[in-house]
Amino acid sequence: SQQGEEDPQALSIQEGENATMNCSYKTSINNLQWYRQNSGRGLVHLILIRSNEREKHSGRLRVTLDTSKKSSSLLITASRAADTASYFCATDTQGGSEKLVFGKGTKLTVNP
Amino acid sequence: KAGVTQTPRYLIKTRGQQVTLSCSPISGHRSVSWYQQTPGQGLQFLFEYFSETQRNKGNFPGRFSGRQFSNSRSEMNVSTLELGDSALYLCASRGLDTEAFFGQGTRLTVV
Repeated sequence: SQQGEEDPQALSIQEGENATMNCSYKTSINNLQWYRQNSGRGLVHLILIRSNEREKHSGRLRVTLDTSKKSSSLLITASRAADTASYFCATDTQGGSEKLVFGKGTKLTVNP
Repeated sequence: KAGVTQTPRYLIKTRGQQVTLSCSPISGHRSVSWYQQTPGQGLQFLFEYFSETQRNKGNFPGRFSGRQFSNSRSEMNVSTLELGDSALYLCASRGLDTEAFFGQGTRLTVV
C-alpha cells in the first residue's frame, strides 16, 4: 500500500506562479525525498529532508516537513514550462530499511 | 560521474516468456533497488540488494527475482510473463548518503 499521498493529484498553473504540492504519510520516517518524473521517464531526485529538519531550500524549491502531522510540502517558486512533470514524495521508513515508499504523485502542468 | 544505467530501455515480450533487465549503479554505490511503476498501482518496491545480498523484498510473486554481482551491477528477472507485468521498471542506487538516484527505466510491454 502507498505510504504517501500527494495532494492535489493534478495542478495547472501559469508560468511565473508558485506551485505547492503536499504529501501525507502514515508511519514514522527517517527522511522524506521528493522526486520529479517527466512523462514516463526516470525519477530525478530533487531534495531530501531528514526527520529532524523542518525546512530545506534548493534553488527554486522549498520543502517543509511536519512530523507531528506526518506531512510535507514542496513549493516551486517562479514556475517555468520546463517544470511540467509529475512530482512524487517518497518516505524512507525507520528500521534500517532501504525501501522507499512512494505516493501516487502530483501532475503539474505549467502553461507558458 | 556517470549516473544509473538501465538496459534495455524498451522491451516487448510475449506472455509466458521470461525477461532479464540490467542496472549499473553509480560508481561506488553498493545498494541497488528495483521498483515497478504502473498507472494503476504507482511505484512499488520490488527488492533491494547490497553487497550481493538481498536485504529487502516487496510484495511480489516469486516470478520476480534479482541478483547483484560483485561489481554492484544488478539484474532482475521476471519469468512466465503476464500481461499485468507491463510496466516501467526503475532501478535506484544509493551510496553512503541516503539519496536514491534512479535510472531512466526499462519500459516492458507484454503482449
